[in-house]
Amino acid sequence: KNQVEQSPQSLIILEGKNCTLQCNYTVSPFSNLRWYKQDTGRGPVSLTIMTFSENTKSNGRYTATLDADTKQSSLHITASQLSDSASYICVVSAHGSSNTGKLIFGQGTTLQVKP
Amino acid sequence: DAEITQSPRHKITETGRQVTLACHQTWNHNNMFWYRQDLGHGLRLIHYSYGVHDTNKGEVSDGYSVSRSNTEDLPLTLESAASSQTSVYFCASSGPSGYNEQFFGPGTRLTVL
Repeated sequence: KNQVEQSPQSLIILEGKNCTLQCNYTVSPFSNLRWYKQDTGRGPVSLTIMTFSENTKSNGRYTATLDADTKQSSLHITASQLSDSASYICVVSAHGSSNTGKLIFGQGTTLQVKP
Repeated sequence: DAEITQSPRHKITETGRQVTLACHQTWNHNNMFWYRQDLGHGLRLIHYSYGVHDTNKGEVSDGYSVSRSNTEDLPLTLESAASSQTSVYFCASSGPSGYNEQFFGPGTRLTVL
């Protein structure tokens, strides 16, 4: 069964600190992996998308890594800001659904950045 | 700027009533999707459409229906609302490739009493 699991479920850090969120998936065959940020009361917004051949991608202070061999991804946030407080969702697309856009969502990691 | 909107943003209804949630996008995307989001679950796909007059069932489609009469709109109908359908509903759209980003609407919070 195609699954995406994220850890930790929730995380609290102090402003200015770094953190890393984890994502493990069992989706096969793999097409691409995305990280979304979802602010409270809003829809998810894409941060990064990586294909099989990409092992790192950055978007400002967000850096995602992908190890397709171990089926793991991480999202590293550098110098956290209060505005980083949100839920971060790992999403995987299976090959074969590449022309459909159907996605498999993790449950998300809730990050709280405190001053 | 192109966008995707949902209405209403909040809805309270009673068990057994028919409810329709609207989704409108100006991206001119062929692909549109409806998801529900509940505590303890990731976003789950309800229905999706690849173009006008095309609709397909997702993993949690029971009790829901959609119709696609134009490119811009994909309304979601709950035929007979049940308390188990209390949730936050998100509409999304994307270009034709699975590599394309899915753009999400702001969500509709539905409460069924």
